[in-house]
Amino acid sequence: EVQLVESGGGLVQPGGSLRLSCEVSGFTFSSYWMSWVRQVPGKGLEWVAHIKQDGSEKYYVDSVKGRFTISRDNAKNSLYLQMNRLRAEDTAVYYCARRDIVVLPAYNWFDPWGQGTLVTVSS
Amino acid sequence: DIQMTQSPSSLSASVGDRVTITCRASQSISRYLNWYQQKPGKAPKLLIYAASSFQSGVPSRFSGSGSGTDFTLTISSLQPEDFATYYCQQSYSIPITFGQGTRLEIK
Repeated sequence: EVQLVESGGGLVQPGGSLRLSCEVSGFTFSSYWMSWVRQVPGKGLEWVAHIKQDGSEKYYVDSVKGRFTISRDNAKNSLYLQMNRLRAEDTAVYYCARRDIVVLPAYNWFDPWGQGTLVTVSS
Repeated sequence: DIQMTQSPSSLSASVGDRVTITCRASQSISRYLNWYQQKPGKAPKLLIYAASSFQSGVPSRFSGSGSGTDFTLTISSLQPEDFATYYCQQSYSIPITFGQGTRLEIK
């Protein structure tokens, strides 16, 4: 069974840091791009970041560039999101998701998703 | 950035109804369009990828169509378990963007 389990969320003060983890099982982690997507409670979905299979390519939404870092450890089947200089507007449920890609054309989508971990940035 | 606009934002319907949700991209995205279903307190679930391809296990009452800038998700005969929020998402270019969601409620 494919599983993605996020952890590391919690309450943090503005300007603080937090590291999210996503441990996966049931598929060959090192063969897939992975992503983080967030959702403000009661609101819509926002893509945050992607990372290539070997970590050589990383992409971010503008609002987190320079503050968040996506990384992975293929030996531990784990994805991470280091979040620094957190702001109130970063408050959200953070989901990790596998990014499936067809080679030609390069259609791609998120499936499956983890259950999410809530990050609250507040003083 | 490519803006994705869904309509309607909310919809009331009855079991057995045929429902259509539309998604419009601010520029052509070919068929790089995916649809997700989200129930309260749960993670999104992929329904349709590449505009019209079914994800394994998704009931056949769900279908997707469109290309370029205009897309639709159709549920042919609503079932009680279909009441949820639906999101479209473009995967044509970074940043990947989602529509604002369509909340499907029981009439």
